[in-house]
Amino acid sequence: DVQLVESGGGLVQPGRSLRLSCAASGFTFSTYSMNWVRQAPGKGLEWLSYISSSGSAIYYADSVKGRFTFSRDNAKSSLYLQVNSLRDEDTAVYYCVREGEGGSYSSHWGQGTLVTVSS
Amino acid sequence: DFVMTQSPDSLAVSLGERATINCKSSQSVLSRSNKKNYLAWYQQKPGHPPKLLIYWASTRESGVPDRFSGSGSGTDFTLTISSLQAEDVAVYYCQQYYSTHYTFGQGTKLEIK
Repeated sequence: DVQLVESGGGLVQPGRSLRLSCAASGFTFSTYSMNWVRQAPGKGLEWLSYISSSGSAIYYADSVKGRFTFSRDNAKSSLYLQVNSLRDEDTAVYYCVREGEGGSYSSHWGQGTLVTVSS
Repeated sequence: DFVMTQSPDSLAVSLGERATINCKSSQSVLSRSNKKNYLAWYQQKPGHPPKLLIYWASTRESGVPDRFSGSGSGTDFTLTISSLQAEDVAVYYCQQYYSTHYTFGQGTKLEIK
């Protein structure tokens, strides 16, 4: 079975940084594009970033471009999201998402990791 | 950017009745090359991550009950639940994956009347 397990969330002060990780298993990680999606408390889903299977193509939502960096290590079947200059509005559950077999829809989601930005 | 707008924001339907949720994209998500609509629907229950229901606008994900169906093309799409069950209470989201910046609708909260 496909498993995506996020980690690295927690309470962090505004302006600080955090590195989120996602450990993938149950599929050939290096052949799938991946995404990060977040959800603020009581709010809807916000797509953040995409990375191609090789890592050669990366896209960001305007709301996080320049502050967030998405990377992957195919040898370790892992994803990383470096989040810098955190703001109150970055408080959210961050989901690691795998794309589908034949298209870029989000077929598999992790359980998410909660990031709380507060002084 | 593609803006996805769902309607209504919330919906209350009686058990066994039909529920219909609409999603409108600010730009067409229909590919001229493969004639596919790059539109997906997700279901999210409280405390859980979203679950894929429908992709390519009308293809049901494996294991999704056949009371769920998707339709539409171009900019206008619909998710229909033919006979509402208690376990369908959730928030439903549409998403376009046509552009390199995927976007979600704001969500529709479905409740039992």
